[in-house]
Amino acid sequence: AIQLTQSPSSLSASVGDRVTITCRASQGISSALAWYQQKPGKAPKLLIYDASSLESGVPSRFSGSGSGTDFTLTISSLQPEDFATYYCQQFNSYPRRFTFGPGTKVDIK
Amino acid sequence: QVQLQQWGAGLLKPSETLSLTCAVYGGSFSGYYWSWIRQPPGKGLEWIGEINHSGSTNYNPSLKSRVTISVDTSKNQFSLKLSSVTAADTAVYYCARGLGSSGYYPFYYYYYYMDVWGKGTTVTVSS
Repeated sequence: AIQLTQSPSSLSASVGDRVTITCRASQGISSALAWYQQKPGKAPKLLIYDASSLESGVPSRFSGSGSGTDFTLTISSLQPEDFATYYCQQFNSYPRRFTFGPGTKVDIK
Repeated sequence: QVQLQQWGAGLLKPSETLSLTCAVYGGSFSGYYWSWIRQPPGKGLEWIGEINHSGSTNYNPSLKSRVTISVDTSKNQFSLKLSSVTAADTAVYYCARGLGSSGYYPFYYYYYYMDVWGKGTTVTVSS
């Protein structure tokens, strides 16, 4: 099964900072990757799908890039409401199975 | 706007069976896969399994022996049963809709991601 790793596992940043989170797949997955944001006590929220497509309603300061094995989620200017944990997710077709990365926690510096 | 509403027992004793249900409102039930995901306290997300409107299921191999996911298309609902629970099954359980997507860059892919989530149900297993 394809495994996902994320780096860093946590980071501290200030409002206005540019933040970059990396997700690496153990083998090539083309652009088949999604990113989620989860705030404490809340369900995950879809941010990015197809590696770089912004989900409707998600602020444009969020962007995704990458393909193959290396992917990046970027927050261009961190806002107070962006302090959360971010997960990447991929999908195996045969057999069908979802896999999430271990998460990256973004907190206030 | 599709919404998922979930419910079920929140406190179980070891060896009991966890039972949760998720209802789909405001959208089509067919054409999607419907998943259960869990998150132990302070940990990451673990996919449990999924079902489609036809009743076709897929499970995480690590839980397969204890999991049953079923569907009631007349009510636009799907349910999770997890047998023989232990303290390790203590978690927040989420239901979610799986949406398929495909593309060709840099090579053809077809995969699923989760675009709509329930609010979660906290399940605690304790004697």
